Amino acid sequence: QVQLVQSGGEVKKPGASVRVSCKATGYPLNTYGIIWVRQAPGQGLEWMGWISAYNGDTNYAQKFQGRVAMTTDTPTNTAYLELRSLRSDDTAVYYCARDIPGYDNDYWGQGTLVIVSS
Amino acid sequence: EVVLTQSPATLSLSPGERATLSCRASQNVGSYLAWYQQKPGQAPRLLISDASNRATDIPARFSGSGSGTDFTLSISSLEPEDFAVYYCQQRSNWPRITFGQGTRLEIK
Repeated sequence: QVQLVQSGGEVKKPGASVRVSCKATGYPLNTYGIIWVRQAPGQGLEWMGWISAYNGDTNYAQKFQGRVAMTTDTPTNTAYLELRSLRSDDTAVYYCARDIPGYDNDYWGQGTLVIVSS
Repeated sequence: EVVLTQSPATLSLSPGERATLSCRASQNVGSYLAWYQQKPGQAPRLLISDASNRATDIPARFSGSGSGTDFTLSISSLEPEDFAVYYCQQRSNWPRITFGQGTRLEIK
């Protein structure tokens, strides 16, 4: 069955970078896209961006432009989110979700907590 | 950017009652509106696609309606497991999706 399994939690210092992975099982990652969504403590869901695992096209939310990178690795069926120049307000749970054009996001990873603290 | 405004922010009801949650879009999103349920410590779960289509394995007590700018999620008779936070999401300008701020459904 389809699953998205994310990497474990991270603690980072301000100014550092973090990379979160999202491994897909049950389907070939390169047939669809992946979105990344984050949720700060006690807050709502925030879309960060999208990547086509088919051709690598990306579309990032304006607020993350310049310090975010989304990539995929076909041989390992894994998507990655890198966020640079971390600030305390980047502390959040980061989710990946499968994205099929014309459909809503039916499968989500379990979430990865990233804590940014000095 | 399409802004989604959900109301109320918090809804207090008892098991067995009917819940009605609202989502209003800042511009016409057609039927490209979904509803998600999120419980503490869990990822969002897709409930309703395209405004009114229940996702796989979603109980019939959940229903969605609306089009354009005004949408409603209804839960006909609340079960204890339905108390959670609900988010609407639009994909009319995919891939640049947006979420509403959420409605917390709590036990009265």
